[in-house]
Amino acid sequence: QVQLQPSGPGLVKPSQTLSLTCAISGDSVSTHRGAWNWIRQSPSRGLEWLGRTFYRSKWYSDYAPSVKSRVTINADTSKNHFSLQLNSVTLEDTAVYYCARGDYGMNAGRFDPWGHGILVTVSS
Amino acid sequence: LVLTQSPGTLSLSPGERATLSCRASQTISGRYLAWYQQKPGQAPRLLIYEASTRATGIPDRFSGSGSGTDFTLTITRLEPEDFAVYYCQHYDDSPPWTFGQGTKVEIK
Repeated sequence: QVQLQPSGPGLVKPSQTLSLTCAISGDSVSTHRGAWNWIRQSPSRGLEWLGRTFYRSKWYSDYAPSVKSRVTINADTSKNHFSLQLNSVTLEDTAVYYCARGDYGMNAGRFDPWGHGILVTVSS
Repeated sequence: LVLTQSPGTLSLSPGERATLSCRASQTISGRYLAWYQQKPGQAPRLLIYEASTRATGIPDRFSGSGSGTDFTLTITRLEPEDFAVYYCQHYDDSPPWTFGQGTKVEIK
């Protein structure tokens, strides 16, 4: 049974970098049959997919156009976790952040399971 | 692709039938549509995928149907634990992926 455990600071100052990590148990971050996603939720934007990383003989990442210039998602195989970095945050980046496992192939965008949410507030 | 869910809020009593709609702005091929349930303070949970296949452990009072641009989630007899927000989502092999805005099923 795959379980995801996100962690990271709940408060980030404007213009700084938001950094979160998602620890994986029950699966490998290097699996060829899945991908590792970050999704956020806010009242103004609803559920918003941010990006993913996955391994298919080498590492790949995809990002949402809305954050592409500011986001990096990568994996650490030694710790079996993946991380999110969002640079130059503004108040609009205040949201609950989730990590989630995506499947592969045509099911790549199907998310199951999800980690619990982390509320990240951007405030000075 | 934009997903529009209706109604925004559904007020029903336990034991009643809930019918939630999700309409896509363009045809969804292969019926690659999922439904998620979200309870307060919790992450979304996958209920239905491929429009009508229940995820592991989901009770059979939940069913999905539809194709093309119109999809429906039906809860045949609402249990107290079913009062939550439900989201639809189109998925495939090509990001980005988007969610509907949600339908809240509340106790009448």
